[in-house]
Amino acid sequence: EPEVTQTPSHQVTQMGQEVILRCVPISNHLYFYWYRQILGQKVEFLVSFYNNEISEKSEIFDDQFSVERPDGSNFTLKIRSTKLEDSAMYFCASSSYRINSPLHFGNGTRLTVT
Amino acid sequence: GENVEQHPSTLSVQEGDSAVIKCTYSDSASNYFPWYKQELGKGPQLIIDIRSNVGEKKDQRIAVTLNKTAKHFSLHITETQPEDSAVYFCAASSTDPGTYKYIFGTGTRLKVLA
Repeated sequence: EPEVTQTPSHQVTQMGQEVILRCVPISNHLYFYWYRQILGQKVEFLVSFYNNEISEKSEIFDDQFSVERPDGSNFTLKIRSTKLEDSAMYFCASSSYRINSPLHFGNGTRLTVT
Repeated sequence: GENVEQHPSTLSVQEGDSAVIKCTYSDSASNYFPWYKQELGKGPQLIIDIRSNVGEKKDQRIAVTLNKTAKHFSLHITETQPEDSAVYFCAASSTDPGTYKYIFGTGTRLKVLA
């Protein structure tokens, strides 16, 4: 069964550094998402992406964050200048349709900011 | 804003017993309700979903019920097994005009005791 893959599985960075989290969504999916999960807490929406542009973003997704689909397969999340509170699991997800369609999640990247 | 409440936060059951997890949503326009299972170190995996035109759906040992009037939906797992131990998240679609995303509950840590 096709799956969403994310790299790296764990990223450690120093405060103020830039990080790029990478995702390869399921190949025939059209909608892409990033979610965040702080340890032990719920899964929070960050951003959705369709047709090479952001569809929607949450208040968490401020100017420090950006997303890009640089080629036909990768979908990246960049955090420009990391803060301690950015430490979390970051999940990429994709779906076939925009509405009433299951999200397929990757296994996540654990970001640790020191 | 939209909100999904989930109870209980932790649940321990004996192997073979049933487990029930309940969620309440606030957006009366929500019409799609997926349930995800998250095992340690992995991303959430869809286990069952229900649409608002259906009151109940069953898949082997797992069932979901939806009460649109009360804005409640529940996950039922029968004949629980140790491999059912995981964190379970409910979610509801948010259909504010011009946006679409899932709002997740806070999660239930299910422990099945052998």
